[in-house]
Amino acid sequence: AQKITQTQPGMFVQEKEAVTLDCTYDTSDPSYGLFWYKQPSSGEMIFLIYQGSYDQQNATEGRYSLNFQKARKSANLVISASQLGDSAMYFCAMRGIIQGAQKLVFGQGTRLTINP
Amino acid sequence: GAGVSQSPSNKVTEKGKDVELRCDPISGHTALYWYRQSLGQGLEFLIYFQGNSAPDKSGLPSDRFSAERTGGSVSTLTIQRTQQEDSAVYLCASSLSRTGRNYGYTFGSGTRLTVV
Repeated sequence: AQKITQTQPGMFVQEKEAVTLDCTYDTSDPSYGLFWYKQPSSGEMIFLIYQGSYDQQNATEGRYSLNFQKARKSANLVISASQLGDSAMYFCAMRGIIQGAQKLVFGQGTRLTINP
Repeated sequence: GAGVSQSPSNKVTEKGKDVELRCDPISGHTALYWYRQSLGQGLEFLIYFQGNSAPDKSGLPSDRFSAERTGGSVSTLTIQRTQQEDSAVYLCASSLSRTGRNYGYTFGSGTRLTVV
C-alpha cells in the first residue's frame, strides 16, 4: 500500500521568506512519481511540480523546488521568496508505476498562510 | 474542451435521493479519475478508468456508489440513497496514457454535494 504523510496541518510565513512543506511517503513500488498540488480557496487543484523516483536531480519549477531524499522517503516542497498569492492548501501525492495502478494517493495537506 | 468540465457545480439533495455527477474530460485523455474531498481533508480516491480496461473501483466506499464511462469520454458518478456523510466535493481528473514519464493530471472544478 502507498501512503503519504504531511505532518504540518498549518504553516504561517512572512512574505518574501522561503518556506518548506514536509512530505514523507511509503511504498513498496520500485518506481514511482511524486507530485505537489496547490489548492487555493477557489477549490481548483493546480499542479506545481513532479519528481520521478529515478531522477538524478531534484525537480525545479520557477520558485518551486522539490527536495527529494530517496533514502529518507521524503519529498519536501520548497517555495522561495513567498508571495501573498501562495496562501493555499498544498497537497503532496504519489503514484506507483507498478503497484499503484496509476492512481494518485494524496496526503492530508498543509494550509500555508503568507503574512504581509 | 480546454479543461475538465464537471456538472453541476453545486448540488443540494435530500437524504435518500439519488444523484448523478458528470465529468467531461479533456479530449484525448484516456485516463479518468474520481476523487472525494471532505471539508478540510485530503483527496480520497474513488475510481479510475483507463481506456477500455476494467475500471479500478477499489476506492468506492459502498455499493451505493457507482460510476460509468461511456465511449471512453464522459463519466457519470452515481450515488444512490444519499446519506449526510456523502456531503463533500467530488473532483474529477483526466490524464494522458499511463505510459510516459510525467503525465499530468488535470482536475475539474468539482461538484459540491450537500445532503440535507
